[in-house]
Amino acid sequence: QITLKESGPTLVKPTQTLTLTCTFSGFSLTTSGVGVGWIRQPPGQALEWLAVTYWNGDNRYSPLLHSRLTITKDASRNQVVLTMTNMDPVDTATYYCAHRLVYFDWAGLFDYWGQGTPVTVSS
Amino acid sequence: DIVMTQNPLFLSVTPGQPASISCKSSQSLLHANGKTYLDWYLQRPGQPPQLLIYEVSNRFSGVSDRFSGSGSGTDFTLRISRVEAEDVGAYYCMQSRQALTFGGGTKVDIK
Repeated sequence: QITLKESGPTLVKPTQTLTLTCTFSGFSLTTSGVGVGWIRQPPGQALEWLAVTYWNGDNRYSPLLHSRLTITKDASRNQVVLTMTNMDPVDTATYYCAHRLVYFDWAGLFDYWGQGTPVTVSS
Repeated sequence: DIVMTQNPLFLSVTPGQPASISCKSSQSLLHANGKTYLDWYLQRPGQPPQLLIYEVSNRFSGVSDRFSGSGSGTDFTLRISRVEAEDVGAYYCMQSRQALTFGGGTKVDIK
């Protein structure tokens, strides 16, 4: 049974760095074809993909946010960490992590999602 | 970047009636291997998204056969054969041909 759970601060100040942790179970990030991604959703708005890390060390980022994002994995602890620098009120959103199966290059799917963690950016 | 455009933005459906959602991509999603990587997700109110359809027309495990996907190239459609109350929520298409991008979403409610 695959589960994922996001954790991190619910409130950050503008210009601060956000650090979110995804703790998962039911799979290993050392298994070929497996990845974990981050997706966010501002209140009342659409989903936006942020970043993904794969079993082989390949990390990929949204072109729009690449300069602000870092994704790292600790396969032994079953955790993936996302950091986003220079937070702004427009980054207020629910942040989800999700299990990704990848076939090759970009091709794959998000088949299991965490419940999400809300983050508000405000002074 | 590949832009995904969904229509309509809102859909109100009588229970038992069919529904259809369109998703168009700014570039062809057909890969050199002949496959097309276009998925559909449903986000029920207050819940995370869940995978419904992958690779245009393949239902994910446990998904009702009332849901079907079709399309090719840049034009794709999600159909619900007979809408039920549990189908209420926002539907998103997502492409993974080049980076990952979601459509703007279609909100479905019951009349």
